Amino acid sequence: EPEVTQTPSHQVTQMGQEVILRCVPISNHLYFYWYRQILGQKVEFLVSFYNNEISEKSEIFDDQFSVERPDGSNFTLKIRSTKLEDSAMYFCASRLGGGAYNEQFFGPGTRLTVL
Amino acid sequence: SQQGEEDPQALSIQEGENATMNCSYKTSINNLQWYRQNSGRGLVHLILIRSNEREKHSGRLRVTLDTSKKSSSLLITASRAADTASYFCATVTTDSWGKFQFGAGTQVVVTP
Repeated sequence: EPEVTQTPSHQVTQMGQEVILRCVPISNHLYFYWYRQILGQKVEFLVSFYNNEISEKSEIFDDQFSVERPDGSNFTLKIRSTKLEDSAMYFCASRLGGGAYNEQFFGPGTRLTVL
Repeated sequence: SQQGEEDPQALSIQEGENATMNCSYKTSINNLQWYRQNSGRGLVHLILIRSNEREKHSGRLRVTLDTSKKSSSLLITASRAADTASYFCATVTTDSWGKFQFGAGTQVVVTP
């Protein structure tokens, strides 16, 4: 069964460093998302991406964040200068088509630890 | 208040008992989905219910949706120790690009 994959599973970085989190969505999906979950808290929406551009983003997704789909298969989230409060689990998700009825498939997550 | 609020926040039951948790939301939705998360792990999709549906079943899971009350419930029948996890509802609102809004979750502990 097709699945969303994410790498790395755990990333440790120093405050102020740039990190890139990688996701490979399901191959025929068209809508892509990033979410994050701070330990013990709920999952929060960061950004949605469609047709090679951001379609929606939350207040969390400030200028320190960017997303890219560089090669038609990977979907990346970059944090330019990490802060301690960026420590969280980051989930990528994708869904097939235009109707909001379609299920979103989540990757296993990348745990980001900022020291 | 936030979209997708679950209650109770925590639930402790014995194996074999049923577990019921509720989710309330504020704005119009296209669909509501329930997810399960084991501690520190990823999100596992359980069931999707569309706004024009009232009830769905999947194995030991039963989900109801009442759009007039803006609420949904998830029932796990004959619970097992392996059902121990956090359960989240996620709504897709009519004004979004399909983004999910998650509730804070219900932490379920099933003791043998």
